[in-house]
Amino acid sequence: DVQMTQSPFSLSASVGDRVTITCRASQKIDNFLNWYQHQPGKAPKLLIYAASTLQSGVPSRFSATDSETDFTLTISSLLPEDFATYYCQQTYSTPYTFGQGTKLEIK
Amino acid sequence: QVQLQESGPGLVNPSETLSLTCTVSSGSITSFYWTWVRQPPGKGLEWLGYIYYTGSTTYNRSLKSRLSISVDTSKNQFSLRLSSVTAADTAVYYCARIRSVTTNWSFDLWGRGTLVTVSS
Repeated sequence: DVQMTQSPFSLSASVGDRVTITCRASQKIDNFLNWYQHQPGKAPKLLIYAASTLQSGVPSRFSATDSETDFTLTISSLLPEDFATYYCQQTYSTPYTFGQGTKLEIK
Repeated sequence: QVQLQESGPGLVNPSETLSLTCTVSSGSITSFYWTWVRQPPGKGLEWLGYIYYTGSTTYNRSLKSRLSISVDTSKNQFSLRLSSVTAADTAVYYCARIRSVTTNWSFDLWGRGTLVTVSS
């Protein structure tokens, strides 16, 4: 199975900050990498698919980059609604696997 | 706007079968793949399996012997059955739609999830 390792596990930041979350795959997964935002009690939301493509309707302050095994999600200027848990996911091979999640909290 | 809603018992006895249904509203279940994901309390997300509207399935092999996913296109629903449950199956269960862009798959629409507790 492909293991997805996210870092950091948690992150404390302020409104207006720029933050970056990293996801590393245990093997090459090309660009079969997605990012999701999950707020408590809500449905998870797709932010980025195919490693770096912004999902329709997602604000442009979200961006992502990729290499073969290392992926990053960046939020350029945090808004209050961005404080949530973020997950990466590989869909290169089954079982599809998620990172452990990065909880973004208000400082 | 397409919406997904999970439904089913919130409490299941150990060793019994957990059954959930996902209802797709304001859109058709045909021409898409559909999937189940769960999140145990305090833990991360685990993909369980997916089904095509034709009934073709793929399961996470860690659950394959206990898991069954089915679809009812007449009701615009798909369902999950997980047998011989234990406390380790306690989780919030989510249904989601799979969107394919060329060969790249992502889960573009999700339900809000339903908590299932396994306990006597």
